This record gives sequence, structure tokens and C-alpha cells, in this order.
Amino acid sequence: DQQVKQNSPSLSVQEGRISILNCDYTNSMFDYFLWYKKYPAEGPTFLISISSIKDKNEDGRFTVFLNKSAKHLSLHIVPSQPGDSAVYFCAASRGREAGKSTFGDGTTLTVKP
Amino acid sequence: GAVVSQHPSWVICKSGTSVKIECRSLDFQATTMFWYRQFPKQSLMLMATSNEGSKATYEQGVEKDKFLINHASLTLSTLTVTSAHPEDSSFYICSARTGYGYTFGSGTRLTVV
Repeated sequence: DQQVKQNSPSLSVQEGRISILNCDYTNSMFDYFLWYKKYPAEGPTFLISISSIKDKNEDGRFTVFLNKSAKHLSLHIVPSQPGDSAVYFCAASRGREAGKSTFGDGTTLTVKP
Repeated sequence: GAVVSQHPSWVICKSGTSVKIECRSLDFQATTMFWYRQFPKQSLMLMATSNEGSKATYEQGVEKDKFLINHASLTLSTLTVTSAHPEDSSFYICSARTGYGYTFGSGTRLTVV
């Protein structure tokens, strides 16, 4: 049973437009959520996080939205840039021990110039 | 920022041999490190939590005698895949808790032939 799901394996957007990456989870005990970006041959890099007490967290071009009732979160990147092209992983954990996160399968984002 | 150096980045070994993967925290002390495995087109799966000076905690289904973890110092954790078999071929990656969050190593691509 996969507890964190990213149903879109890939997403392609035009430079300057908004990228929306989605993530669903099934375990209601998860209360801390993270997004990571990963380039080929590199480890994931932390992007942004949100705790379950919030429904939105913003950091520059990146905004994460959390809908607890729907067990859904999304990452918005606006405006998208070619350098944003990477694999994006959604992760969830119980408490703040994000080191023991459960990861989704990732979504490959391609931003076209 | 906090850097985790992981070596080797890739390794090919013969079936039945053992392979050691190292993760070093370069500019901080990591009392806890996490070891993940990622199969192609799948998510990162937590294998074990490595604690400096004590035994590692393994996730359910991970053979502790096959995946030996040693965290002998505050800057080094090692994962040894013993008696490797082709089904152990995977991408192994470590992460460490820092004062700012979690930092991942660059990963090790293990191919067992």
C-alpha cells in the first residue's frame, strides 16, 4: 500500500507559466510534508515544507498548499524557469522527524524555453 | 550549507561480494543518518536509521545481516551490502539531519553482475 502518491509521472510547462505538482496521501497520521527537487546523479534537495497546522506555505516562487480533508497537497512554481526542470518528490512524515519520511514516486517536470 | 559526501557514486561488483558505501558529513556533526534505497521509477524507501554509537534501526522487511550499518563517528556512516546479488542492484542514498533540515548525499548506483 503506497501511502504517498504522485499520480503524474511527468509534467511539461512553458517557461513563465505556472507548474502545479500534485501529491496525495492516505495515512491520516502524517502531519509534516516536504517537497524535494532532484537532478540526475544528485541527491534530493529540500525545497519547501508545510506542517498540518497550516494550509499554505510560500517561499519565493514556490508555494505548497495542503488540503487535509482531501489528504492532498500541491506545489506551485510560478513563474516556471528552465532550471526548474527536475524530478520533484513529495514526502510525508509523522511529527517533525522528516528523516523517516515516506516518499512519492516523483514527478518529472520539464520547463520548455 | 551542510554537505553530505557519499562515495562511491557508482559501483559494479560481482555476485557474492560485499560493497561498502560511505556517507560523511563534511561541515557538521550528524548523530543520525538515514539510508534509503530507490529502485528504478520508484520512490525512495527508507531502509534504516543510523545512530552514532549505537545500533541501527531497520525498517520492516530490511535484512540487518545483509545491510550492515556502522555509525562509528559523528561524521561517518557506512552501509555494507554483504554477499550482494543482482536483486540488490539499486540506487542507495543517505541523508542526515542538520540544523536546517535534512541533507542528502548524491547517492550510489550499485550494479551487481
